Amino acid sequence: DAKTTQPTSMDCAEGRAANLPCNHSTISGNEYVYWYRQIHSQGPQYIIHGLKNNETNEMASLIITEDRKSSTLILPHATLRDTAVYYCIVRVRQAGTALIFGKGTTLSVSS
Amino acid sequence: GAVVSQHPSRVICKSGTSVKIECRSLDFQATTMFWYRQFPKQSLMLMATSNEGSKATYEQGVEKDKFLINHASLTLSTLTVTSAHPEDSSFYICSAGREVYEQYFGPGTRLTVT
Repeated sequence: DAKTTQPTSMDCAEGRAANLPCNHSTISGNEYVYWYRQIHSQGPQYIIHGLKNNETNEMASLIITEDRKSSTLILPHATLRDTAVYYCIVRVRQAGTALIFGKGTTLSVSS
Repeated sequence: GAVVSQHPSRVICKSGTSVKIECRSLDFQATTMFWYRQFPKQSLMLMATSNEGSKATYEQGVEKDKFLINHASLTLSTLTVTSAHPEDSSFYICSAGREVYEQYFGPGTRLTVT
């Protein structure tokens, strides 16, 4: 799987938008960008994924650059419960393919 | 999203004993299940991939005779840590996937070996 690069940590004020960047310059044409998050001592939670178009769901928005070499996860109105480690992963969307986790970004939301 | 459960959530065992951790997909049939290990302040590390009815595929450096994986049905996979030692103390997490749909993770099992 292609590697991703994320900042180690970020801070965000409660109620503001949190924009988490991810670089994946060696992504292949058939690899998707996935975002998961892990709240302390829990299993990872799926957030969103995309191939090349921007995506939005009830949790977040995913913006992928036209060249697909980077993306941004946007939490539009961060809350204290969004404090977690956020993982950006690129993966072929194929049955039996594991998710390989990097170090992720620790997002701290404060009031 | 789909629900994956793990049991137990926490277990303490003595060195030299074996511990079994169960992973269940509650509302879907999982064609593949994955087992991860996470040490404090580190990321998740993939241990093995298991498909129902076949032998698990272990990642490099993971001892298959120590970490026994059984995937007997499309909703249940078990990880048995045999002859556990203090260095096996960790957070063990399973995930389940169905066909090309996304992977869903269990809540994890905290293993402490004394």
